[in-house]
Amino acid sequence: GAVVSQHPSRVICKSGTSVKIECRSLDFQATTMFWYRQFPKQSLMLMATSNEGSKATYEQGVEKDKFLINHASLTLSTLTVTSAHPEDSSFYICSALQGGEKLFFGSGTQLSVL
Amino acid sequence: KQEVTQIPAALSVPEGENLVLNCSFTDSAIYNLQWFRQDPGKGLTSLLLIQSSQREQTSGRLNASLDKSSGRSTLYIAASQPGDSATYLCAVNRGGSEKLVFGKGTKLTVNP
Repeated sequence: GAVVSQHPSRVICKSGTSVKIECRSLDFQATTMFWYRQFPKQSLMLMATSNEGSKATYEQGVEKDKFLINHASLTLSTLTVTSAHPEDSSFYICSALQGGEKLFFGSGTQLSVL
Repeated sequence: KQEVTQIPAALSVPEGENLVLNCSFTDSAIYNLQWFRQDPGKGLTSLLLIQSSQREQTSGRLNASLDKSSGRSTLYIAASQPGDSATYLCAVNRGGSEKLVFGKGTKLTVNP
């Protein structure tokens, strides 16, 4: 099956720093990728839809200036958590849409902000 | 607003037992429903996808059913194995969109 690579798998950072998470579709082109966040014992929640070559679409309540998304190529989307704070600590996971039909998920990134 | 609920939140069974995981959703206007498996600290693996026009899908020891009118789905796992231990997530598409709404999952432990 198709593979989506997400990096890093785990990151620990100090409060106030920025963290970049990469999501790559390794063997297919993805014009659309999705970013989700999951707090402990909660559901995966969609944060934003990343569209290649255009601005991301953010879900209600997600700060676009804090969570910067760049989808500069058909195989790479990045999520940058700017000025991270402890409340941003969460599990972030991306998914890529293959052929407009099937979703493949990355392995996720556990972010811990001290 | 679509809400997805999964019951139970956790389940522990002995190896070999058949089991059922439940998923319910509040808005029946779904495009499809998917069951995923999530291993600790890892991504999601799609197990079964049921289109809104379908009633069930089967893959190996897994069988998923969908009753769209009542807003329910079940995932049946036959002859459970320790390797089945994981969190199982149910998700629905909102009205034809690729955006998924997830439940909180059921954490399954199969004891040898």
